[in-house]
Amino acid sequence: LAKTTQPISMDSYEGQEVNITCSHNNIATNDYITWYQQFPSQGPRFIIQGYKTKVTNEVASLFIPADRKSSTLSLPRVSLSDTAVYYCLVVRRGGKLQFGAGTQVVVTP
Amino acid sequence: DGGITQSPKYLFRKEGQNVTLSCEQNLNHDAMYWYRQDPGQGLRLIYYSQIVNDFQKGDIAEGYSVSREKKESFPLTVTSAQKNPTAFYLCASRQTGDSYGYTFGSGTRLTVV
Repeated sequence: LAKTTQPISMDSYEGQEVNITCSHNNIATNDYITWYQQFPSQGPRFIIQGYKTKVTNEVASLFIPADRKSSTLSLPRVSLSDTAVYYCLVVRRGGKLQFGAGTQVVVTP
Repeated sequence: DGGITQSPKYLFRKEGQNVTLSCEQNLNHDAMYWYRQDPGQGLRLIYYSQIVNDFQKGDIAEGYSVSREKKESFPLTVTSAQKNPTAFYLCASRQTGDSYGYTFGSGTRLTVV
């Protein structure tokens, strides 16, 4: 599976947009990009998944350029409750999840 | 509501003892997984099972054992052979086939005293 690289931490103020970019240079044709959110002492929660271009749901947007070597998770107008660790994963159909250290996002008033 | 239930939430174990962590799901998912998480780190795969009565080792299986006698249940035993068992343990499940999303339980925090 393709190795992912994302920032260790990001700080933001309430109401701002947070963009987390993840690099996955060795992504394969059959791989999807998936993002999870984890709060302290809880299991990760699926946020969004995409293959190419843009995907949007009620929580976030995922931007994937044509070469698919990177992706950007966009969290619009964050609140204090968005403080969490965000994981970028490259997933193959039927494959296992391989987690990195993730990005710690801290939102302050 | 469908979901995954892990119990207990907190568990204390004396050195040299085996302990079993429970994981039950009512999502009718075929595949189940056990992960370990240490402070400030991502999750590491211990064992997984894609079907009843079958399971495979993950990246850090040494010192752990599992069973999958029922589709709904995937218990994890932390044996005395596990040298550093204190960690946060997470169980997950997924429907095989086209589904990519995993559902995670709320975890069990194991502390060796």
